Amino acid sequence: DAGVTQSPTHLIKTRGQQVTLRCSPISGHKSVSWYQQVLGQGPQFIFQYYEKEERGRGNFPDRFSARQFPNYSSELNVNALLLGDSALYLCASSLVSAQETQYFGPGTRLLVL
Amino acid sequence: QKEVEQDPGPLSVPEGAIVSLNCTYSNSAFQYFMWYRQYSRKGPELLMYTYSSGNKEDGRFTAQVDKSSKYISLFIRDSQPSDSATYLCAMSEGNTPLVFGKGTRLSVIA
Repeated sequence: DAGVTQSPTHLIKTRGQQVTLRCSPISGHKSVSWYQQVLGQGPQFIFQYYEKEERGRGNFPDRFSARQFPNYSSELNVNALLLGDSALYLCASSLVSAQETQYFGPGTRLLVL
Repeated sequence: QKEVEQDPGPLSVPEGAIVSLNCTYSNSAFQYFMWYRQYSRKGPELLMYTYSSGNKEDGRFTAQVDKSSKYISLFIRDSQPSDSATYLCAMSEGNTPLVFGKGTRLSVIA
Protein backbone atom coordinates (compact mmCIF):
# COMPACT_ATOMS: atom_id res chain seq x y z
CA ASP A 1 0.00 0.00 0.00
CA ALA A 2 1.19 3.48 -0.80
CA GLY A 3 1.87 5.75 2.13
CA VAL A 4 1.05 9.42 2.36
CA THR A 5 2.20 11.23 -0.77
CA GLN A 6 2.94 14.92 -1.14
CA SER A 7 3.72 17.14 -4.08
CA PRO A 8 5.84 18.89 -5.04
CA THR A 9 8.92 17.68 -3.13
CA HIS A 10 10.71 21.01 -3.39
CA LEU A 11 9.59 24.52 -4.21
CA ILE A 12 11.30 27.89 -4.48
CA LYS A 13 9.19 31.05 -4.35
CA THR A 14 9.79 34.75 -3.83
CA ARG A 15 8.28 36.95 -1.15
CA GLY A 16 4.69 37.94 -1.84
CA GLN A 17 3.93 34.96 -4.05
CA GLN A 18 1.33 32.29 -3.37
CA VAL A 19 1.90 28.54 -3.09
CA THR A 20 -0.29 25.42 -3.14
CA LEU A 21 0.89 22.15 -1.63
CA ARG A 22 -0.88 18.84 -2.19
CA CYS A 23 -1.35 15.70 -0.12
CA SER A 24 -2.89 12.29 -0.73
CA PRO A 25 -3.61 10.28 2.43
CA ILE A 26 -3.21 6.56 2.92
CA SER A 27 -6.08 4.67 1.30
CA GLY A 28 -8.98 4.43 3.76
CA HIS A 29 -7.80 7.33 5.90
CA LYS A 30 -10.30 10.15 6.13
CA SER A 31 -8.42 12.69 8.24
CA VAL A 32 -5.56 14.87 7.05
CA SER A 33 -3.45 17.19 9.16
CA TRP A 34 -0.87 19.74 8.05
CA TYR A 35 2.26 20.69 9.99
CA GLN A 36 5.05 23.20 9.46
CA GLN A 37 8.57 22.18 10.49
CA VAL A 38 11.17 24.92 10.60
CA LEU A 39 14.80 23.77 10.56
CA GLY A 40 15.87 22.60 14.01
CA GLN A 41 12.33 22.54 15.43
CA GLY A 42 9.58 19.98 15.83
CA PRO A 43 6.52 20.07 13.56
CA GLN A 44 3.90 22.72 14.42
CA PHE A 45 0.22 21.99 13.78
CA ILE A 46 -1.47 24.12 11.12
CA PHE A 47 -4.81 22.44 10.21
CA GLN A 48 -6.77 19.24 10.56
CA TYR A 49 -9.52 18.21 8.14
CA TYR A 50 -12.00 15.37 8.34
CA GLU A 51 -14.77 14.68 5.84
CA LYS A 52 -14.00 17.99 4.10
CA GLU A 53 -14.56 19.98 7.27
CA GLU A 54 -11.95 21.88 9.26
CA ARG A 55 -11.67 20.22 12.67
CA GLY A 56 -8.76 22.18 14.08
CA ARG A 57 -6.54 25.16 13.37
CA GLY A 58 -3.18 26.04 14.89
CA ASN A 59 -1.76 29.46 15.64
CA PHE A 60 -1.08 30.52 12.06
CA PRO A 61 -2.17 33.71 10.24
CA ASP A 62 -5.08 33.85 7.80
CA ARG A 63 -2.58 33.71 4.93
CA PHE A 64 -2.69 29.96 5.51
CA SER A 65 -5.74 28.08 4.27
CA ALA A 66 -6.55 24.51 3.36
CA ARG A 67 -9.27 22.31 2.02
CA GLN A 68 -10.08 18.63 1.69
CA PHE A 69 -11.65 17.03 -1.35
CA PRO A 70 -14.26 14.23 -1.59
CA ASN A 71 -11.46 11.70 -2.22
CA TYR A 72 -9.88 12.88 1.09
CA SER A 73 -6.86 14.46 -0.58
CA SER A 74 -5.99 17.92 0.64
CA GLU A 75 -4.37 21.18 -0.40
CA LEU A 76 -2.58 23.74 1.74
CA ASN A 77 -2.43 27.29 0.38
CA VAL A 78 -0.17 30.04 1.63
CA ASN A 79 -0.63 33.59 0.34
CA ALA A 80 1.69 36.59 0.48
CA LEU A 81 4.72 34.45 1.28
CA LEU A 82 7.23 35.72 3.84
CA LEU A 83 10.85 34.65 4.29
CA GLY A 84 9.78 33.02 7.57
CA ASP A 85 7.46 30.66 5.71
CA SER A 86 10.52 28.71 4.53
CA ALA A 87 10.09 25.28 6.08
CA LEU A 88 9.26 21.63 5.52
CA TYR A 89 5.48 21.26 5.20
CA LEU A 90 4.27 17.89 6.37
CA CYS A 91 0.99 16.17 5.75
CA ALA A 92 -0.20 13.41 8.08
CA SER A 93 -3.16 11.09 7.66
CA SER A 94 -5.14 9.08 10.18
CA LEU A 95 -8.24 6.91 10.02
CA VAL A 96 -10.69 9.30 11.62
CA SER A 97 -9.37 11.76 14.18
CA ALA A 98 -6.11 13.51 14.98
CA GLN A 99 -5.81 11.53 18.25
CA GLU A 100 -5.24 8.32 16.38
CA THR A 101 -1.93 7.20 14.98
CA GLN A 102 -0.82 9.72 12.39
CA TYR A 103 1.33 8.72 9.44
CA PHE A 104 3.43 11.39 7.84
CA GLY A 105 4.34 11.99 4.23
CA PRO A 106 7.85 12.96 3.08
CA GLY A 107 7.00 16.65 3.12
CA THR A 108 7.35 19.56 0.73
CA ARG A 109 10.40 21.71 1.28
CA LEU A 110 9.53 25.36 0.60
CA LEU A 111 12.19 28.03 0.24
CA VAL A 112 11.08 31.65 0.10
CA LEU A 113 13.65 34.10 -1.28
CA GLN B 1 7.55 27.25 29.62
CA LYS B 2 6.98 25.26 26.44
CA GLU B 3 4.39 22.48 26.59
CA VAL B 4 6.94 19.85 25.58
CA GLU B 5 10.66 20.10 26.33
CA GLN B 6 13.24 17.94 24.60
CA ASP B 7 17.02 18.27 24.68
CA PRO B 8 18.07 18.87 21.04
CA GLY B 9 21.47 17.23 21.52
CA PRO B 10 23.38 16.32 19.47
CA LEU B 11 23.91 12.98 21.17
CA SER B 12 26.78 10.82 19.94
CA VAL B 13 27.20 7.19 21.07
CA PRO B 14 29.28 4.19 19.97
CA GLU B 15 27.63 1.32 18.13
CA GLY B 16 26.07 -1.18 20.54
CA ALA B 17 25.39 1.38 23.28
CA ILE B 18 22.06 1.81 25.04
CA VAL B 19 20.53 5.17 24.14
CA SER B 20 18.14 7.05 26.41
CA LEU B 21 16.02 9.87 24.97
CA ASN B 22 13.67 11.92 27.11
CA CYS B 23 10.92 14.52 27.06
CA THR B 24 9.17 16.43 29.79
CA TYR B 25 5.81 18.11 29.48
CA SER B 26 3.65 20.52 31.41
CA ASN B 27 0.09 19.63 30.28
CA SER B 28 -1.29 16.97 32.63
CA ALA B 29 -4.16 16.33 30.17
CA PHE B 30 -1.84 14.61 27.69
CA GLN B 31 -2.84 10.94 27.37
CA TYR B 32 -1.31 9.77 24.09
CA PHE B 33 2.45 9.65 23.71
CA MET B 34 4.44 8.93 20.59
CA TRP B 35 8.01 8.72 19.41
CA TYR B 36 8.85 9.48 15.80
CA ARG B 37 12.14 8.98 13.98
CA GLN B 38 13.07 11.47 11.28
CA TYR B 39 15.94 10.94 8.90
CA SER B 40 17.51 13.98 7.29
CA ARG B 41 15.19 15.67 4.78
CA LYS B 42 12.46 13.05 5.29
CA GLY B 43 9.08 12.97 7.03
CA PRO B 44 8.72 11.62 10.59
CA GLU B 45 8.19 7.85 10.91
CA LEU B 46 6.17 6.51 13.84
CA LEU B 47 8.24 4.29 16.15
CA MET B 48 6.21 3.87 19.32
CA TYR B 49 2.67 4.76 20.44
CA THR B 50 1.61 4.59 24.09
CA TYR B 51 -1.63 5.42 25.81
CA SER B 52 -1.42 6.69 29.41
CA SER B 53 1.33 5.44 31.74
CA GLY B 54 3.46 2.33 31.51
CA ASN B 55 6.03 0.64 29.33
CA LYS B 56 5.88 -0.65 25.79
CA GLU B 57 8.53 -2.71 24.06
CA ASP B 58 9.06 -3.34 20.35
CA GLY B 59 12.26 -5.08 19.37
CA ARG B 60 15.21 -2.93 20.40
CA PHE B 61 12.94 -0.03 21.38
CA THR B 62 11.25 0.55 24.75
CA ALA B 63 8.97 3.49 25.50
CA GLN B 64 8.18 4.54 29.07
CA VAL B 65 5.59 7.02 30.26
CA ASP B 66 5.52 8.38 33.81
CA LYS B 67 2.47 10.66 34.02
CA SER B 68 3.06 11.48 37.68
CA SER B 69 6.41 13.05 36.76
CA LYS B 70 5.25 14.27 33.31
CA TYR B 71 8.23 12.48 31.80
CA ILE B 72 8.54 10.10 28.86
CA SER B 73 11.54 8.11 27.64
CA LEU B 74 12.64 6.08 24.66
CA PHE B 75 15.38 3.49 25.08
CA ILE B 76 17.26 2.00 22.16
CA ARG B 77 19.24 -1.16 22.88
CA ASP B 78 22.20 -2.33 20.80
CA SER B 79 22.22 0.92 18.85
CA GLN B 80 23.21 0.75 15.18
CA PRO B 81 24.59 3.38 12.77
CA SER B 82 21.23 3.13 10.96
CA ASP B 83 19.59 4.52 14.12
CA SER B 84 21.32 7.85 13.46
CA ALA B 85 18.44 10.28 13.02
CA THR B 86 16.42 12.91 14.85
CA TYR B 87 13.99 11.50 17.41
CA LEU B 88 10.83 13.50 18.07
CA CYS B 89 8.50 13.00 21.00
CA ALA B 90 4.86 13.95 20.44
CA MET B 91 1.80 13.94 22.64
CA SER B 92 -1.91 14.66 22.56
CA GLU B 93 -4.83 15.08 24.94
CA GLY B 94 -7.02 13.00 22.69
CA ASN B 95 -8.94 14.45 19.73
CA THR B 96 -6.45 17.32 19.79
CA PRO B 97 -3.46 17.93 17.53
CA LEU B 98 -0.08 16.45 18.26
CA VAL B 99 2.35 18.66 20.19
CA PHE B 100 5.96 17.88 19.33
CA GLY B 101 9.25 18.38 21.09
CA LYS B 102 12.14 19.98 19.21
CA GLY B 103 13.72 16.61 18.50
CA THR B 104 17.02 15.07 19.64
CA ARG B 105 19.67 14.49 17.01
CA LEU B 106 21.37 11.11 17.55
CA SER B 107 24.56 9.86 15.92
CA VAL B 108 25.64 6.22 16.39
CA ILE B 109 29.29 5.84 15.52
CA ALA B 110 30.52 2.53 14.05
